[in-house]
Amino acid sequence: GESVGLHLPTLSVQEGDNSIINCAYSNSASDYFIWYKQESGKGPQFIIDIRSNMDKRQGQRVTVLLNKTVKHLSLQIAATQPGDSAVYFCAENEEETSGTYKYIFGTGTRLKVLA
Amino acid sequence: DTEVTQTPKHLVMGMTNKKSLKCEQHMGHRAMYWYKQKAKKPPELMFVYSYEKLSINESVPSRFSPECPNSSLLNLHLHALQPEDSALYLCASSQQVLNQPQHFGDGTRLSIL
Repeated sequence: GESVGLHLPTLSVQEGDNSIINCAYSNSASDYFIWYKQESGKGPQFIIDIRSNMDKRQGQRVTVLLNKTVKHLSLQIAATQPGDSAVYFCAENEEETSGTYKYIFGTGTRLKVLA
Repeated sequence: DTEVTQTPKHLVMGMTNKKSLKCEQHMGHRAMYWYKQKAKKPPELMFVYSYEKLSINESVPSRFSPECPNSSLLNLHLHALQPEDSALYLCASSQQVLNQPQHFGDGTRLSIL
């Protein structure tokens, strides 16, 4: 059987459809969130960010929604293309006791675009 | 092409070797980071430098030694590594530490024999 953690959650979508990738975060004090895209053999690439004083932010073909009540973040990709196939990570900021900040990454979701 | 450059792209070393990973950015960013990423896992923070000073060390073993010679360069010195240290090592930079997107390099794939 499968072991937890060895396989990324996978979302398969048809080319041209919209994709929704979800992320639950843990720290209610987090006030800044980022979505990254990581293609095979490459480092994470910044997609879009949102601050906690906003519920929604739009970019080119992407929209991020933030629901602070249930600590949920989502990334919507419109008209999904083959080039969107990658692993997507959300990240939240977290304040250290020293007063500096770091980012905590979610577990990631693999997006597969079907032709 | 990434604006954060990491060298080498691949590194194979024995457990008794000493090697260094290098990272360079010319975006004027004042925060730089080292992450470790295992297969099918998210990046895990190792070190944070802000204005060339170490501000976060995530309880990383002393066989990993970071160095920030200037605002554009970040090194990770490796000595006496273990097989479980095999991973992708990612460098990133951001304008500031707080609430700024990080720009990542494509990493160094490290294998420990």
